[in-house]
Parts: sequence; structure tokens; C-alpha cells
Amino acid sequence: EDKVVQSPLSLVVHEGDTVTLNCSYEVTNFRSLLWYKQEKKAPTFLFMLTSSGIEKKSGRLSSILDKKELFSILNITATQTGDSAIYLCAVGGATNKLIFGTGTLLAVQP
Amino acid sequence: GAGVSQSPRYKVAKRGQDVALRCDPISGHVSLFWYQQALGQGPEFLTYFQNEAQLDKSGLPSDRFFAERPEGSVSTLKIQRTQQEDSAVYLCASSFTGWDTQYFGPGTRLTVL
Repeated sequence: EDKVVQSPLSLVVHEGDTVTLNCSYEVTNFRSLLWYKQEKKAPTFLFMLTSSGIEKKSGRLSSILDKKELFSILNITATQTGDSAIYLCAVGGATNKLIFGTGTLLAVQP
Repeated sequence: GAGVSQSPRYKVAKRGQDVALRCDPISGHVSLFWYQQALGQGPEFLTYFQNEAQLDKSGLPSDRFFAERPEGSVSTLKIQRTQQEDSAVYLCASSFTGWDTQYFGPGTRLTVL
């Protein structure tokens, strides 16, 4: 059965800290891995990764995929209170649907 | 440009009532997806349309759930005879081809009393 596991489930840090969120997966015919940020509204798209070892970067956020070890990490440097959210990892496989992990709840304290 | 919109944002229903949830995808997006997100969980796939064709409905939890997209644009998710276990956030997403990035709407939070 296809599954996506995220860790940690929750994390509390202080502004300025660097955090690393983890996502491991077992999905038939892997096609892509996506990261979303979810506040009290629509999950907003962060990154889509399809190739191993190529880092994607947007401002203070970056992500990389390891297709051999079946995992991805999302890094956030110099965290701000506005980074507080649930971060969702999702994987696309043989079909069009996305399989999501349960998410990591990040709280950034001032 | 405009993103995915959903209405209503909140819906309270008494057990046994029928509800209809609407999704307006991004203009020009061929594919539309419905997901259900229970509290503290990640979204779970319900169904998928390509244009007006419903290509995958394997995630619909029972025959009380029905989705349509008659003109290949707006979609409606209908839940008949709602039960308390149907309480969740219902998310709609659209993508240009179905194989690329899915963009999500804000969701409809359904509470069944």
C-alpha cells in the first residue's frame, strides 16, 4: 500500500532557528514529490521535485529529493513567525492523485 | 490570476441532510480533484475529473458521495444523508494537465451535528 510518512509531527522553534522537515515514501511508480504550506486556508504550493539530488530553492526555503533512499527534506533557514503552519508532503505515483503525509506542525515563537 | 475558489467556506448540517459543495477551478485547468481532510490528518483523495469525465472515483467512501463536473469547469461534490463521520474539510484542487502541480482551494469545512 502506498504511504507517505512525515516527521516530526510537530516542532517548536524560536525565530532565527533553522529547521529540517522530513518526508519518506513508499509509492508505486513514483512520479513526483510536492511540498505544501497549509495555514488556515488553502494549502499553498512550495516545491515539486522529480529528480534526485537537485536542490530547489525559494528564498529561505529549500528542498531536495533522494529517490534511492525514498525521502525528501524541506529546510527553512532564519525562521520567522510567519513560517508557522502545517507543512504537507505529497507524492504522485502511477495515478494522478496525490498521497499525503499527515503533515508537520511548525510553530515559530518570537 | 484567480485561484481555485470553493463555496460555501463553512457548512453545518444536521445528520441526515444532503449537502452540495462547489468548486471553481483555475480557468483553463483540465483536471480537477476532490480531497477530504479530517482533523489532524493529511488530505485524502476522493475523486478526479479530466474535463467532464470522472476518471477515478476510487476514494469516495460510500455511495452517499457523488461528484459531477458537467461542463468541464465547475464541479459539485454532493453528500447525501450526511453522517457525523463526514465532518471534515473538503478540498478541491485543479491542475493544467493532471500530471503537474495541483493548486488547492481554501476548502469547505463541513460539520455534521
